[in-house]
Amino acid sequence: KAGVTQTPRYLIKTRGQQVTLSCSPISGHRSVSWYQQTPGQGLQFLFEYFSETQRNKGNFPGRFSGRQFSNSRSEMNVSTLELGDSALYLCASSQGETTDTQYFGPGTRLTVL
Amino acid sequence: DQQVKQNSPSLSVQEGRISILNCDYTNSMFDYFLWYKKYPAEGPTFLISISSIKDKNEDGRFTVFLNKSAKHLSLHIVPSQPGDSAVYFCAASALDSSYKLIFGSGTRLLVRP
Repeated sequence: KAGVTQTPRYLIKTRGQQVTLSCSPISGHRSVSWYQQTPGQGLQFLFEYFSETQRNKGNFPGRFSGRQFSNSRSEMNVSTLELGDSALYLCASSQGETTDTQYFGPGTRLTVL
Repeated sequence: DQQVKQNSPSLSVQEGRISILNCDYTNSMFDYFLWYKKYPAEGPTFLISISSIKDKNEDGRFTVFLNKSAKHLSLHIVPSQPGDSAVYFCAASALDSSYKLIFGSGTRLLVRP
């Protein structure tokens, strides 16, 4: 079974621009979660989608948004990029039940100049 | 407020010996705990998990112990191998928001040949 895939793997943007990151979950998985990893804050939960609905949201500003499609693929969008948004963005998928293990993709490294 | 803490940023162990990685948590609502291993520029890889109804879970060389009264869990790796060198993250979730993992800051394990 193929793992979680994320595109692109690397991205360079400038302040004020917007960016869209994509995540394809493991086949059969209906839940997709997004996390941000930075050296200062570690791994932080952004949001989670299940059956195209956002079920949970972390403490990030409204510039961070996401969506999920009917095939469970998910995208996250960051608008009006700031230097502090430079991070590794990780997507994880699971079957969606309460104690299902989340399996992570390789991440997208976003650099904001 | 850091709800999951890994107080040792690094650990160095001789090959063949036991590695013990520790994790403390403050939120008594956490009832599911996981350990992930992470190499640079890759997503976290799931290692082992434990629910709050157990105090021990074993999978090959990896054993996780949970002490609910002390709000403490540990990961034991026996015997340690050089390929185990990576950053290890402890994560926790609560039943009412189990899709949201709260991560510790990680412990860098170095296994010396």
